[in-house]
Amino acid sequence: GQQLNQSPQSMFIQEGEDVSMNCTSSSIFNTWLWYKQDPGEGPVLLIALYKAGELTSNGRLTAQFGITRKDSFLNISASIPSDVGIYFCAGLDQTGANNLFFGTGTRLTVIP
Amino acid sequence: DTAVSQTPKYLVTQMGNDKSIKCEQNLGHDTMYWYKQDSKKFLKIMFSYNNKELIINETVPNRFSPKSPDKAHLNLHINSLELGDSAVYFCASSQVLTTEQYFGPGTRLTVT
Repeated sequence: GQQLNQSPQSMFIQEGEDVSMNCTSSSIFNTWLWYKQDPGEGPVLLIALYKAGELTSNGRLTAQFGITRKDSFLNISASIPSDVGIYFCAGLDQTGANNLFFGTGTRLTVIP
Repeated sequence: DTAVSQTPKYLVTQMGNDKSIKCEQNLGHDTMYWYKQDSKKFLKIMFSYNNKELIINETVPNRFSPKSPDKAHLNLHINSLELGDSAVYFCASSQVLTTEQYFGPGTRLTVT
């Protein structure tokens, strides 16, 4: 199956700093989703993007659907300790079986 | 109320055994999924069910079989467990096929 590459793999930042992470694919997706996973829990949906070029915010989170439809970006402003976790992008492939493919994840650590 | 719930949370068993994991969603969604997350945290879809019909099967061994008694439940049966089946299994649901998916808390399966 397809694999989406996320970068960076991990980040260590100070509380209050802004964070940027991205997700790239060799294939085009019509929908991009961003999830956060806390330890011992399931992924929680943060933001969904449906149109190329779309910029969507959810509180301190902002995500963009790349113009090429092969990438997406997630920014977190003014990080706080509870932002710690693994962030996953996911792309929806609407050719064939409508599969949802997940990225490799970015592990975020926020230092108080 | 928990939107997507799974039982058990932890499952430790020996090779060769048969086990089941249960999933229930109270969101009124019409599609449910099973994902496997490996030790590197990579999430991969295994099955999805829409109106009691299997619509995705991502080359999963036939030892794994999803069973849906009704729209709110999708159980995962695993026969002849192998060491490589050790992973965290997540159930998810969505309103429309593979758009915004909501995940359960996961079941950590350990095969010894």
